[in-house]
Amino acid sequence: DADVTQTPRNRITKTGKRIMLECSQTKGHDRMYWYRQDPGLGLRLIYYSFDVKDINKGEISDGYSVSRQAQAKFSLSLESAIPNQTALYFCATSDLRQGVGDTQYFGPGTRLTVL
Amino acid sequence: DQQVKQNSPSLSVQEGRISILNCDYTNSMFDYFLWYKKYPAEGPTFLISISSIKDKNEDGRFTVFLNKSAKHLSLHIVPSQPGDSAVYFCAAGRLNTGNQFYFGTGTSLTVIP
Repeated sequence: DADVTQTPRNRITKTGKRIMLECSQTKGHDRMYWYRQDPGLGLRLIYYSFDVKDINKGEISDGYSVSRQAQAKFSLSLESAIPNQTALYFCATSDLRQGVGDTQYFGPGTRLTVL
Repeated sequence: DQQVKQNSPSLSVQEGRISILNCDYTNSMFDYFLWYKKYPAEGPTFLISISSIKDKNEDGRFTVFLNKSAKHLSLHIVPSQPGDSAVYFCAAGRLNTGNQFYFGTGTSLTVIP
């Protein structure tokens, strides 16, 4: 079984709709992240959470919100989706206690299309 | 502005030869650097890392070189194998400060059998 799972894997929605992307992990890591990948722009950080009570904005948080429901779950919401939020979204986890730096472990991605 | 840049979107190499992927960064405060590999329909996976106290780190066929004065790092793959064909992302940031890591745009490597 995958250590970091994302649901759904693919989603097509319409402008103005609310949508939630979910991420679960079985690695026992404290830190969780949401990124988006766009062609020619690499991965950009949306939000990150270092524990259940700690939420931080990343490079491109506008238009998004997150919820850390438990250590293992981190959800990303688009309150009112717009077409330029069409992208590939990745969840990731990390654990500094492993002593290997901030190595992040990524989920398989969610492809979101906003029409 | 991109703080981490990979100026070559793609690279093709013959099997058995060396692949060299390059990455430049702009922030002199970055002290930790990583390379990730991504296959289609999968998330990136960690490949190798280096901290700023070193200028070289080796793991099997993969070696990362860091030139702090030039703010440049490179990933060498020797010998290249067809299974190495993937997109490679470099990432840079500040370790242990809670700051985010910044990713480059990726280089698509094709190893030709």
